[in-house]
Amino acid sequence: EVQLVESGGGLVQPGGSLRLSCAASGFTVSINYVTWVRHVPGKGLEWVSVIYNTGSTYYADSVKGRFTVSRDNSKNTVYLQMNSLRADDTALYYCARDFYDSNGNYLYAFDVWGQGAMVTVSS
Amino acid sequence: QSALTQPASVSGSPGQSITISCTGTTSDVGTYKYVSWYQQHPGRAPKLMIYEVSNRPSGVSNRFSGSKSGNTASLTISGLQAEDEADYYCSSHRSGVGLVFGGGTKLTVL
Repeated sequence: EVQLVESGGGLVQPGGSLRLSCAASGFTVSINYVTWVRHVPGKGLEWVSVIYNTGSTYYADSVKGRFTVSRDNSKNTVYLQMNSLRADDTALYYCARDFYDSNGNYLYAFDVWGQGAMVTVSS
Repeated sequence: QSALTQPASVSGSPGQSITISCTGTTSDVGTYKYVSWYQQHPGRAPKLMIYEVSNRPSGVSNRFSGSKSGNTASLTISGLQAEDEADYYCSSHRSGVGLVFGGGTKLTVL
């Protein structure tokens, strides 16, 4: 079964750090794009970051310089290191697999999602 | 404020059709074919319902359809069913940014 499982969420003080994990099964993260999306309670979804199969990484302006996405191919896991956390980073963080067509073209869509990891930044 | 504009709520009776709009700009919806729609039930992860404006992934009911005109994309659900009650989000590729989402629309089946 193709699935993603996030872990590592929790309560952290402003200025603190947290690392989220996204463990994949049923597919290989190293040959896929994996994206992080967050959902602020009562608000919409926000794209956060992506790691390409090449290892290239990209970030939303709101997290650039504070968040780092990486992966461990041996564990088939993607990570999101979050530093200098702020109250407005409080959200449910999802990892998701990017969706490709039959020709391997990236479609800016996500066909597999994890269950989410809640991050609360508060003193 | 979300990058793409969606109505906060829509409603319809079982069997009816409803349409949810998603308005962007020439930097996203108006230029790119990469518009997607997601369904999210409470406590569940989003589910991809439409990609590339009007394509349905395998397993998604043909009651769901998508379209686009200018800077506005639309999701239409025909033959409304109780199980369709959920939040719906649109997304689009945006030049220089990556991906942007709408604020979400709560669909109520009366």
